[in-house]
Amino acid sequence: SAVISQKPSRDICQRGTSLTIQCQVDSQVTMMFWYRQQPGQSLTLIATANQGSEATYESGFVIDKFPISRPNLTFSTLTVSNMSPEDSSIYLCSVIRTGANVLTFGAGSRLTVL
Amino acid sequence: TQLLEQSPQFLSIQEGENLTVYCNSSSVFSSLQWYRQEPGEGPVLLVTVVTGGEVKKLKRLTFQFGDARKDSSLHITAAQPGDTGLYLCAGAPSGTYKYIFGTGTRLKVLA
Repeated sequence: SAVISQKPSRDICQRGTSLTIQCQVDSQVTMMFWYRQQPGQSLTLIATANQGSEATYESGFVIDKFPISRPNLTFSTLTVSNMSPEDSSIYLCSVIRTGANVLTFGAGSRLTVL
Repeated sequence: TQLLEQSPQFLSIQEGENLTVYCNSSSVFSSLQWYRQEPGEGPVLLVTVVTGGEVKKLKRLTFQFGDARKDSSLHITAAQPGDTGLYLCAGAPSGTYKYIFGTGTRLKVLA
């Protein structure tokens, strides 16, 4: 399966600032996704990162708040903009390799907003 | 909107006990997956069940897919402390890869 590196692994941020999370995969993948896991909760899909075009966002998530880039088949970024304490969560990058039907996850980025 | 409800939400048991976790939906899924997540890590796939009525075994873990493909269960025999973690079922609406995750079952196995 693909190996995914996410950074930062954790960060503490001030209200009103923005943070960009990076996701690097060791092989080309078909699909890349960003999930959010709020404290003690399950995973919620934020968006599908599309190579070379705008991400596809799920209901309740908007580009102005969570801009996403995917310049190539192995790299994506998620920015959490104008953060508030409610944005404190683990943000997870996940991928599906070509021809597979299995989600592989990064270790996640734990974000705390004060 | 397709939802996956898991029960129980929390489970704390002694080493050696058996347990079953349930994953239920009102919608039909072409397949369901089970993941385990440990603190500080992303979820890791345990199994995929595809056929209604299918039973899969992974050492002490037994997974079953309901006949109508709306529900699934995970049974652990003789639980061990290493089984501690968050168990998640997941399914994708037909024709997409947008996986929906269940509400989760947090298991703690005490030595």
